[in-house]
Amino acid sequence: DIQMTQSPSSLAASIGDRVIIACRASQSISTYLNWYQHKPGKAPDLLIYAASRLRSGVPSRFSGSGSGTDFTLTISSLQPEDFATYYCQQSYNVPPLTFGGGTRVEIK
Amino acid sequence: EVQLEESGGGLVQPGGSLRLSCAASGFSFRGYWVHWVRQVPGMGLVWVSRIDGDGRRTSYADSVQGRFTISRDTAKNTVHLQINSLRAEDTAVYFCAREAADHDFWSGYSLGYMDVWGKGTTVTVS
Repeated sequence: DIQMTQSPSSLAASIGDRVIIACRASQSISTYLNWYQHKPGKAPDLLIYAASRLRSGVPSRFSGSGSGTDFTLTISSLQPEDFATYYCQQSYNVPPLTFGGGTRVEIK
Repeated sequence: EVQLEESGGGLVQPGGSLRLSCAASGFSFRGYWVHWVRQVPGMGLVWVSRIDGDGRRTSYADSVQGRFTISRDTAKNTVHLQINSLRAEDTAVYFCAREAADHDFWSGYSLGYMDVWGKGTTVTVS
């Protein structure tokens, strides 16, 4: 199984900050990497697919990059509605689909 | 509006069973892979199971293999997850999700992302 490791596991940031979340795969997954945002009590929400493709309707302050084993999710200017937990997920070698452990973004 | 809604969660004793349902509205499940993903309180998302668009192919996480069964009712536009021999560690919020019908241009492989999710149903084993 492919293991996904996210870092950091949590971070505190201020409105307007640039936030970068890292995701590393235990083996190469090409660009089969997706990012989700999850808020308590809500459905998870797709942000980025295929490593760098922004889902329609997602604000352009979100961006994804990387290929192979190392990926990043960047929020260029953090907004109040962005405080949530973010997960990466690989879809290269399935089953099983595997998620990273999550990165909780909190208010500083 | 395209939506998924889970139901069937509840409080059950160890060893018990539940049948979770995932109902689609605003679109037809036909042709889409559907997944179940769970979240133990305070922990991250973990993939549980999936079923293909025809209901012929299914897959399970090792932790639930042999205890959980995924199926689909095309007429009712619903996917079910039968969960048996429940353990305390199965306590979680269970989400269903639709895998997007999107493929890599060159390889033809599914890109494997989940573009529609439900809000989840809670299973408590105690």
